[in-house]
Parts: sequence; C-alpha cells; structure tokens
Amino acid sequence: QSALTQPPSASGSPGQSVTISCTGTSSDVGGYNYVSWYQQHPGKAPKLMIYEVSKRPSGVPDRFSGSKSGNTASLTVSGLQAEDEADYYCSSYAVKHGLVFGTGTKVTVL
Amino acid sequence: QVQLVQSGAEVKKPGSSVKVSCKASGGTFSSYAISWVRQAPGQGLEWMGGIIPIFGTANYAQKFQGRVTITADESTSTAYMELSSLRSEDTAVYYCARGQPIIAAAGIEAFDAFDIWGQGTMVTVSS
Repeated sequence: QSALTQPPSASGSPGQSVTISCTGTSSDVGGYNYVSWYQQHPGKAPKLMIYEVSKRPSGVPDRFSGSKSGNTASLTVSGLQAEDEADYYCSSYAVKHGLVFGTGTKVTVL
Repeated sequence: QVQLVQSGAEVKKPGSSVKVSCKASGGTFSSYAISWVRQAPGQGLEWMGGIIPIFGTANYAQKFQGRVTITADESTSTAYMELSSLRSEDTAVYYCARGQPIIAAAGIEAFDAFDIWGQGTMVTVSS
C-alpha cells in the first residue's frame, strides 16, 4: 500500500487561506469516512486536527476544516497564523492495509 | 488528564530486537485503543499496529506482520511494542497514541483519530 499523495509544500500570508489535498483511491479515502489530519511541529509529536473527514476535536480552532470529494480529502486552514506553520499529514483507513498516512505537506506562513 | 509516557531512547545492533513501553495515566486504560506509529528521520508517519487492552488481540499493518508484537498489561496500564530482526531502516522515532477502533468487514481492522500521543522514543539501529 503506497502512502496517500499530498503536495510537498503549501504557503500563504497571514490571514489568508491554504488548502492541502490528500489523494488516495476507492479502497481508502474514497471508500470510507475515516480520514484524519495531523499537525506536527519540528521535534514534536503530531496533533489531531480533524477526524472522520470533517470533525474537529475539542480545542482545535474552527479555522481548521476538512472535506472530501471522491478519492481526495482536503484540509483548509483559514485566517493563517504564524503558529500554523508546520507539517501536516492526512491518514485514512485502507482495505487490507489498516491505516495509511499521507506523504506530508509543509505549510509555510509567508 | 490522560497522558502517555514512553520509555527512553535505545541503540540496537542489526538483527536484534527492541521493546518500547508506553505507560498511561488517567482514564480507563483497558478501554483505550493504543496504536504505534513510527517516523524515520526526515520522513513521514507510518502506522505499525494497535491493540485494545480489554480485548487483548492486536492488529498489525501488513508491512510489519511477523516482525512486530504489540501487547498490553492492564495491571500496570502499560502497552508495549517489540520489533525484531532490526535493520538500519528501522531507525526512527516510535510513538504510541490513543485512538479509536475502525470496525470493518472483519471486525476491528485498524485504529484512527489519534488524540493523545506519547513523547516518542528514538530507536537507532547501528552496527
């Protein structure tokens, strides 16, 4: 099972929005609503930002939102802030493979 | 407040095994779903497998089947991940994380939505 495909990088100025894609197949992203997104700052453990495609855990700002269309899931960060600069990973349930993660996207706040 | 505290860094020889622990405090450990996720230097995240202590049976990613063993000791609220036949490519930070079970056609097949993570354990495999 290959990793889900994410763009290597994305960027935006403070206050702008950035959207990160996560592309899989009908056997993972497209077939199930078990898509999560994680934020990871350098040297730190990942932090859950979105689960089950679009649900936000308690404490995560509503600037973070998730969606899915076909085999591609997306994470949108609105009103970019300096502290949003980090690596972001998607994950999805995959038939016969359990859980697979995306390749990761480095978000830069310009 | 639920916390997961992992054991310290390890340096191992190729071909040997490593066992990493993950001790939970707060909450009801037996009902947790604990997964292990690793991250090689400069690389992405990789799910290895998970366990729900109250059930006792672990689920593993295909890639690690036969080489990884995940167990849990309810009496000490501790989960363990043992990886054998180590090679240099296993050099990574290993994380434990609390998640939710994914129930599919064959029952519990994986875990998701990791909301609490351990601090990570660096395992270095070098001759």
